[in-house]
Amino acid sequence: EVQLVESGGGLVQPGGSLRLSCAASGFTFSDHYMDWVRQAPGKGLEWVGRTRNKANSYTTEYAASVKGRFTISRDDSKNSLYLQMNSLKTEDTAVYYCARASYYDSSLIDYWGQGTLVTVSS
Amino acid sequence: QSALTQPASVSGSPGQSITISCTGTSSDVGSYNLVSWYQQHPGKAPKLMIYEVSKRPSGVSNRFSGSKSGNTASLTISGLQAEDEADYYCCSYAGSSTCVFGGGTKLTVL
Repeated sequence: EVQLVESGGGLVQPGGSLRLSCAASGFTFSDHYMDWVRQAPGKGLEWVGRTRNKANSYTTEYAASVKGRFTISRDDSKNSLYLQMNSLKTEDTAVYYCARASYYDSSLIDYWGQGTLVTVSS
Repeated sequence: QSALTQPASVSGSPGQSITISCTGTSSDVGSYNLVSWYQQHPGKAPKLMIYEVSKRPSGVSNRFSGSKSGNTASLTISGLQAEDEADYYCCSYAGSSTCVFGGGTKLTVL
């Protein structure tokens, strides 16, 4: 069974930093591209960014709204995905989901974690 | 990439059928048969219900079906049940590596 479990959310002041983690199990983590997607309170889904797999040099992409402030990384030896968030803004307040891209169609997210809440407030 | 357009809300009675539309452009929905649909219950993670316009993942009820015409994709739920009440999001490939989401539709089962 595919499982994605996020952790690391919490309350942080504007301008602060936070690191989210996602522990993956039930599939060959190293084969898959992995995404972060967020959802502000009462709002829709917003793609945050992606890391590709080793075969694609672990390259990353980011949404314009977070580029330069957020960094996605992964540790295949630990089946873990990370999101380093710096210079946080109040508008970054959201539930952050770890998500797996399908092995056969990398544009398709086929599994999601339960999410972790990040609140940016003074 | 702009978000795809979905109605804010739809409703139906148990046993009825409803359709949720997802309108994009010739650069996304109209160009690729890579539209997916997600169901999200309050406080829960999204769940994949439809992919590649009309395919159902294993375990998803055949009451859920998808289609596409031009720049608009649609999700139809037949035999509506109380447990179908949730938010639904479409997502379409748009030429980059990931998909672009719709704004979401709240389905109310009356």
